[in-house]
Amino acid sequence: AQRVTQPEKLLSVFKGAPVELKCNYSYSGSPELFWYVQYSRQRLQLLLRHISRESIKGFTADLNKGETSFHLKKPFAQEEDSAMYYCALSGGLSGFQKLVFGTGTRLLVSP
Amino acid sequence: GAVVSQHPSRVICKSGTSVKIECRSLDFQATTMFWYRQFPKQSLMLMATSNEGSKATYEQGVEKDKFLINHASLTLSTLTVTSAHPEDSSFYICSAPADPGLAGTFFLSTDTQYFGPGTRLTVL
Repeated sequence: AQRVTQPEKLLSVFKGAPVELKCNYSYSGSPELFWYVQYSRQRLQLLLRHISRESIKGFTADLNKGETSFHLKKPFAQEEDSAMYYCALSGGLSGFQKLVFGTGTRLLVSP
Repeated sequence: GAVVSQHPSRVICKSGTSVKIECRSLDFQATTMFWYRQFPKQSLMLMATSNEGSKATYEQGVEKDKFLINHASLTLSTLTVTSAHPEDSSFYICSAPADPGLAGTFFLSTDTQYFGPGTRLTVL
């Protein structure tokens, strides 16, 4: 079965501190992993996807198949990073695949 | 950009009535849309996959007769909560991935889902 686990409900850090939001997944095949973000009073939006190997707003995430993890990292957190972050998994080839979401982690960056 | 709208943004209804929620892709076409449900402080749970021109595919445990889905066109999917009860109160969110080759999708990422703002349903 497909499953995404985000162990932390809340992560509170000070501005400028490093951030790591944990995500572990369970999937028998080759998954596609995503991080979605929801800022206050805004809709859910894609932050980054593992196949792009990109850095968005200073965030990066590396897929570790051995540890079945896709942790989201940023070296220096900013106050505007405060939001709800969801790790999501999609199975199979790219296309109109269903997303399985983790329970989300609220990141709070204090000044 | 890819914009998905939902209407209404919030609705309050009496128990036993039916409520229709619309999901529209405003500047692109999508043959598939997804409907999610989100309880307070919980994650999004996929309810069903809406398919243009064919029946929706429901996730296990979701009553298809209670949550009627109609994908009327390449830009519109509707979710009707029939005979609503207080336990149906929730936040309903739709999403649409860009269907490659259809209008408006040329500059969009086809492995990205674009989410609507959600509809808050309260059943009294």
